Amino acid sequence: DAGVTQSPTHLIKTRGQQVTLRCSPISGHKSVSWYQQVLGQGPQFIFQYYEKEERGRGNFPDRFSARQFPNYSSELNVNALLLGDSALYLCASSLGQGAFLETQYFGPGTRLLVL
Amino acid sequence: AQTVTQSQPEMSVQEAETVTLSCTYDTSENNYYLFWYKQPPSRQMILVIRQEAYKQQNATENRFSVNFQKAAKSFSLKISDSQLGDTAMYFCAFMTPYNQGGKLIFGQGTELSVKP
Repeated sequence: DAGVTQSPTHLIKTRGQQVTLRCSPISGHKSVSWYQQVLGQGPQFIFQYYEKEERGRGNFPDRFSARQFPNYSSELNVNALLLGDSALYLCASSLGQGAFLETQYFGPGTRLLVL
Repeated sequence: AQTVTQSQPEMSVQEAETVTLSCTYDTSENNYYLFWYKQPPSRQMILVIRQEAYKQQNATENRFSVNFQKAAKSFSLKISDSQLGDTAMYFCAFMTPYNQGGKLIFGQGTELSVKP
């Protein structure tokens, strides 16, 4: 079975632009989470979606938004890009069967560079 | 708020030897999961091992095992018979319950080098 997939793998944008990152979860998984990993640090939680509803949100500005589609894939949008948004953006999927706690499996990430 | 601390930024070990990576965390929750993830230079975050807080028995996955001390809020990873492919950044992570967002909180990471 395919794991979590993300596209694109790399992206270069300039300040002020907007970017959309995409994620497809593992088949059968209904929950998707997004994380930002700045170079040299651990990932920071941005969003979690389950059944197209936002279930959790990290401490990120409103320039960050996301959505989940009926097929459980997800998009992360970042508006008005800043240099500090340069990072590896990771998507993780989990079963989302309503369990209290579930293991999350990560995709390969999208490397975003803002110039 | 929950926090995760990894106090060893870098470690090295000789091939075939054993190494232990340290992790401490802080939470007031009683039910949670703890994880070790591995991130090689290729950047894919790979699950190494999971520990459920309600289980007293330490988790084991082949050459990887944990020492989970709930009262001390300590969660160390032991890698036995280290292999060159174990070279990677290792992250300790705490999972909050879904009524708190179901998010993973990561430590700062430990960069492990396995030397031939």
